[in-house]
Amino acid sequence: DAMVIQNPRYQVTQFGKPVTLSCSQTLNHNVMYWYQQKSSQAPKLLFHYYDKDFNNEADTPDNFQSRRPNTSFCFLDIRSPGLGDAAMYLCATSRGTRVNEQFFGPGTRLTVL
Amino acid sequence: GNSVTQMEGPVTLSEEAFLTINCTYTATGYPSLFWYVQYPGEGLQLLLKATKADDKGSNKGFEATYRKETTSFHLEKGSVQVSDSAVYFCALGSVYAGGTSYGKLTFGQGTILTVHP
Repeated sequence: DAMVIQNPRYQVTQFGKPVTLSCSQTLNHNVMYWYQQKSSQAPKLLFHYYDKDFNNEADTPDNFQSRRPNTSFCFLDIRSPGLGDAAMYLCATSRGTRVNEQFFGPGTRLTVL
Repeated sequence: GNSVTQMEGPVTLSEEAFLTINCTYTATGYPSLFWYVQYPGEGLQLLLKATKADDKGSNKGFEATYRKETTSFHLEKGSVQVSDSAVYFCALGSVYAGGTSYGKLTFGQGTILTVHP
């Protein structure tokens, strides 16, 4: 089945130690998104790629970076994780059509010790 | 700017009860509207959608109608099951305005639903 895959599902890192989360998709969608979600709150958009074009949200901290080497893969890099960065990180994709329905992966739960 | 307001939770119901979760929105133009469901420890799954006024989205016994006159998209189900226990998010899709606004979703704050046997 076509889907959005996130690895790992659970990630533990130490305060200040860089960490990378990965997302892949078999939907061949143009747009890929990264969200941060804390405690059943609404997901907060960090950034998105439309093809190779990177779009950062104005309030996304510089500590968060992203890479999209090809259509299928997108990475979230947290350069120096703080305790406040512990959260669920969700990857999503969309075709980039007017309906803008997004398809979500299962998420990666990040713990910062 | 766009905004979505959902009814305050949590909501606790007995099995087979009727469910309504209210959702109202503020937006320019004619946005698409969505309900997403999130089960514990999982990502969001699209439950249903509507792309224009008076459209009714439906799936798994859930329904919602796009009401432009009241700017609402309330979620309903006639008879809930224990397996419906989850967090429900109402979301609005930005009308394409070029540039970076394309495809972005604005979420409501989420409503936690717990259904008891």
